[in-house]
Amino acid sequence: ILNVEQSPQSLHVQEGDSTNFTCSFPSSNFYALHWYRWETAKSPEALFVMTLNGDEKKKGRISATLNTKEGYSYLYIKGSQPEDSATYLCASIQGAQKLVFGQGTRLTINP
Amino acid sequence: NAGVTQTPKFQVLKTGQSMTLQCAQDMNHNSMYWYRQDPGMGLRLIYYSASEGTTDKGEVPNGYNVSRLNKREFSLRLESAAPSQTSVYFCASRRYGGREGGTDTQYFGPGTRLTVL
Repeated sequence: ILNVEQSPQSLHVQEGDSTNFTCSFPSSNFYALHWYRWETAKSPEALFVMTLNGDEKKKGRISATLNTKEGYSYLYIKGSQPEDSATYLCASIQGAQKLVFGQGTRLTINP
Repeated sequence: NAGVTQTPKFQVLKTGQSMTLQCAQDMNHNSMYWYRQDPGMGLRLIYYSASEGTTDKGEVPNGYNVSRLNKREFSLRLESAAPSQTSVYFCASRRYGGREGGTDTQYFGPGTRLTVL
């Protein structure tokens, strides 16, 4: 099992500011990358599924990019709101079935 | 449409006891997964089942067994619980529309919080 790394581990951002964080994954035998949003006391919910190098996905104020050649993905949040506070997980799919998760970036938006 | 359901929600065991965590999905997904979540460790894959009748080990399978009873149900068994298995356990099912289909998504259950004393 090859590691998936996320940075930073935690982040405090002022309401209204934009922010971004990183997911690094093994570039060899890349299959797909998932992003999930995980609120406290709830279950993770899917944000994006990314498969192609150069992919960009957007959902409201949240967007993500993918670079499969160098093995990284960025998640961007524009104009952070308190409801964006959550842990953001990325997962690299290895061998089409195994999802290997990073440890997450815990985002806190300060009003 | 309940999605992914897990039982029980909470459980306390003594070292050496056994128990089975139940998971069911009503979305007709082929793939199902068991994860554990520990502080600072993210989600770690215990076992998965790509389809009915098949199961495979994930990152941390030791101390666990699984059964894919049918397409809907995927159970996780602890034969002899140890304090190191204190964790929150998540079951998930996966809608898989092919790599280029853009519909590959995992759906998670609410979790089971297990404490082993």
